[in-house]
Amino acid sequence: GESVGLHLPTLSVQEGDNSIINCAYSNSASDYFIWYKQESGKGPQFIIDIRSNMDKRQGQRVTVLLNKTVKHLSLQIAATQPGDSAVYFCAENWGNAGNMLTFGGGTRLMVKP
Amino acid sequence: DAGVIQSPRHEVTEMGQEVTLRCKPISGHDYLFWYRQTMMRGLELLIYFNNNVPIDDSGMPEDRFSAKMPNASFSTLKIQPSEPRDSAVYFCASSFRPTEAFFGQGTRLTVV
Repeated sequence: GESVGLHLPTLSVQEGDNSIINCAYSNSASDYFIWYKQESGKGPQFIIDIRSNMDKRQGQRVTVLLNKTVKHLSLQIAATQPGDSAVYFCAENWGNAGNMLTFGGGTRLMVKP
Repeated sequence: DAGVIQSPRHEVTEMGQEVTLRCKPISGHDYLFWYRQTMMRGLELLIYFNNNVPIDDSGMPEDRFSAKMPNASFSTLKIQPSEPRDSAVYFCASSFRPTEAFFGQGTRLTVV
């Protein structure tokens, strides 16, 4: 699935460096947030999630930080690898039933060998 | 489990024709979502189901679009008649309760 094209913000990092991808979300009532990775020709793939009662959550090589005061989410990838090259989306969960994911525009991560 | 399965992977059709996209969610998941992805608008939620019942279809662009979920293991998204501006990648996703949604590989639709 070709995700986005020329209008995506792009982050270019050197292999082995740490990457930080930022996201501003829109709804202060959102209580659940997810980061997805989308590689070319594929659907979005879950990376890590965080609930609004937390401000940090760590996974394998990834950390998500949540700042509810300024409605900001970030994804940190440690020791970035070529396989991390993809488009990254943040998504917030809100809606009357709390089951609707609203996606941000995405950031393209390019890893230079 | 093989994950969310969508068919076809690619569809090319002429304007005015009916298009049907198919989805098989992950077994045991009780939520099913249909998304559309374009370069201009990103990922948009079209409709979602809970236990086979449509809950919110506010994202469906117009009456030409319809979605059904006759049982827990199958859903369709139909466009009739199709228009060139419907060209996009359509994703189906499923989840168990309000947790992360698992996406299929998508159907790339081209309407000429």
